[in-house]
Amino acid sequence: DAGITQSPRHKVTETGTPVTLRCHQTENHRYMYWYRQDPGHGLRLIHYSYGVKDTDKGEVSDGYSVSRSKTEDFLLTLESATSSQTSVYFCAISPLETAEAFFGQGTRLTVV
Amino acid sequence: GQQLNQSPQSMFIQEGEDVSMNCTSSSIFNTWLWYKQDPGEGPVLLIALYKAGELTSNGRLTAQFGITRKDSFLNISASIPSDVGIYFCAGMNNNAGNMLTFGGGTRLMVKP
Repeated sequence: DAGITQSPRHKVTETGTPVTLRCHQTENHRYMYWYRQDPGHGLRLIHYSYGVKDTDKGEVSDGYSVSRSKTEDFLLTLESATSSQTSVYFCAISPLETAEAFFGQGTRLTVV
Repeated sequence: GQQLNQSPQSMFIQEGEDVSMNCTSSSIFNTWLWYKQDPGEGPVLLIALYKAGELTSNGRLTAQFGITRKDSFLNISASIPSDVGIYFCAGMNNNAGNMLTFGGGTRLMVKP
């Protein structure tokens, strides 16, 4: 998994509660990404980071925020979880020099 | 935003057969990537293409970067049961940041 760890791997939470997912890398890659994967939609970019404290929105950023205070950690926060945010979330990393993104094993989030 | 159309959506083939799938885009990409995803896992990078017209192989897999830069193809020769999974294409336009756009995936099923 190219030195990427996502935690937790599974989580069930209640509607309206905040949730934070963590992505940790040991590759010192500059770029980090959060995607969600849903049936019929493939992988969609939520937010990405191009350096410490440098982040930007992706295609489906509403209801999500991110933070990157260290090169190795990229946090995804659902400010107030909704059932539509039930999904599998993937973190990915890539070096500056290439487009080759490497994915973590995913976090399955269920909002009830 | 950029759209990637991947076809076919699913394939059910006999072991030993060759497989072809493709992706087409409404806009130009500088990079094409092909991933495979097994159940419960994150996508794994198979092949990266960086130049229009480029043909690259990885074992039984061969991928091509279309000459128009708006399409890419993946072929798998002599399929085996472990080829089962979902195959995703992804494209990147460096002028739009280091962000990948993913196709909807091709689900491959192989009958022994």
